Amino acid sequence: AQKVTQAQTEISVVEKEDVTLDCVYETRDTTYYLFWYKQPPSGELVFLIRRNSFDEQNEISGRYSWNFQKSTSSFNFTITASQVVDSAVYFCALIFTGGGNKLTFGTGTQLKVEL
Amino acid sequence: GAGVSQSPSNKVTEKGKDVELRCDPISGHTALYWYRQSLGQGLEFLIYFQGNSAPDKSGLPSDRFSAERTGGSVSTLTIQRTQQEDSAVYLCASSQSRGWTDTQYFGPGTRLTVL
Repeated sequence: AQKVTQAQTEISVVEKEDVTLDCVYETRDTTYYLFWYKQPPSGELVFLIRRNSFDEQNEISGRYSWNFQKSTSSFNFTITASQVVDSAVYFCALIFTGGGNKLTFGTGTQLKVEL
Repeated sequence: GAGVSQSPSNKVTEKGKDVELRCDPISGHTALYWYRQSLGQGLEFLIYFQGNSAPDKSGLPSDRFSAERTGGSVSTLTIQRTQQEDSAVYLCASSQSRGWTDTQYFGPGTRLTVL
């Protein structure tokens, strides 16, 4: 079965702290894509990043970085020097060859960044 | 350019009434998706359109739910004889082509409340 697990339900940090959001996935497919989306209080899901299963190169984009490790089936997301505007629910999602075009989402991690 | 738009943003209805939710995808996007977000079930896939055809309807929860897409653009999700368990946020997404790997971009959602 295809599954995405985000074990952290809620994380609270103080502004400027670094924070890592965990994502673990299960799939029997060898070809798949992983995504992170952000859902701020306004409700819209905002695309952040996608990775394919053949590209384990980690990526940094400004204060965001992603660590993809196939050996542990993890795709973790780190925010460096967090800001209040980073407060949102973050979703990890998976799409795979045999699953049609539908995204399978994790349950999300609520991040609260306080002053 | 303009993103995915959805209307209405909020809908309150009485149990047993029919409702229609509308999605206008990003211009030029041929694929369109409906998802539902509820407290108990998280983010769930409902249906996928490629052009005006729906090759995957596997997520529609019952025959009270139907969707159509016309002109390869606007889509309408209809819920007949609404029930309280239909209360959720209904999210629409679109992607550029028929490829299953394309990134899906989401609209702001329609919050449906069934009294």
